[in-house]
Amino acid sequence: AQSVTQLGSHVSVSEGALVLLRCNYSSSVPPYLFWYVQYPNQGLQLLLKYTSAATLVKGINGFEAEFKKSETSFHLTKPSAHMSDAAEYFCAVRGSGSARQLTFGSGTQLTVLP
Amino acid sequence: GAVVSQHPSRVICKSGTSVKIECRSLDFQATTMFWYRQFPKQSLMLMATSNEGSKATYEQGVEKDKFLINHASLTLSTLTVTSAHPEDSSFYICSAKDHQETQYFGPGTRLLVL
Repeated sequence: AQSVTQLGSHVSVSEGALVLLRCNYSSSVPPYLFWYVQYPNQGLQLLLKYTSAATLVKGINGFEAEFKKSETSFHLTKPSAHMSDAAEYFCAVRGSGSARQLTFGSGTQLTVLP
Repeated sequence: GAVVSQHPSRVICKSGTSVKIECRSLDFQATTMFWYRQFPKQSLMLMATSNEGSKATYEQGVEKDKFLINHASLTLSTLTVTSAHPEDSSFYICSAKDHQETQYFGPGTRLLVL
């Protein structure tokens, strides 16, 4: 079975500072990994995805994530936080069942301080 | 990116009534759609996998007679909450999977049962 663990339910950074949101995965097969962002009262928006190509994945809004097999990690980073980055972030892994459904982490609430 | 819509965005109903939520993929065909439920400050919980032209697959603990799913076309899946009760109040989110198996999420439907 596949699972993801997000360390830190809440992360606060100052505007302009580095953003680092942690995600570790467990998978019995080569994983497909995703990061989604959710703004209040909205659905999820895909930030980026890893599908076994390049280990450093660039996404929208300046975010990127690096797949590290040795550490079973897929942490999300952004060099300089913006106020508009404040949101809930979810890491997800695709399952190996026929439907390939996603399993989500518990989420990390990012607060950006002025 | 691909667009998925949900209707309605918000619904208030009386206990005992049924509510139908529509999920549409606007610019791609989706043989598989998913329905999630999200409680406040929590992650998404997969309720069921909706397959075009066949019966939905429900996750353990989800009552199929309570949450009726119909996937009549490649662009539309509906979730009907039958005989709704206050404990069914939640945020319901659908997603649609494209041919590259990326899931795109709808904006969600806030259901409040009085």
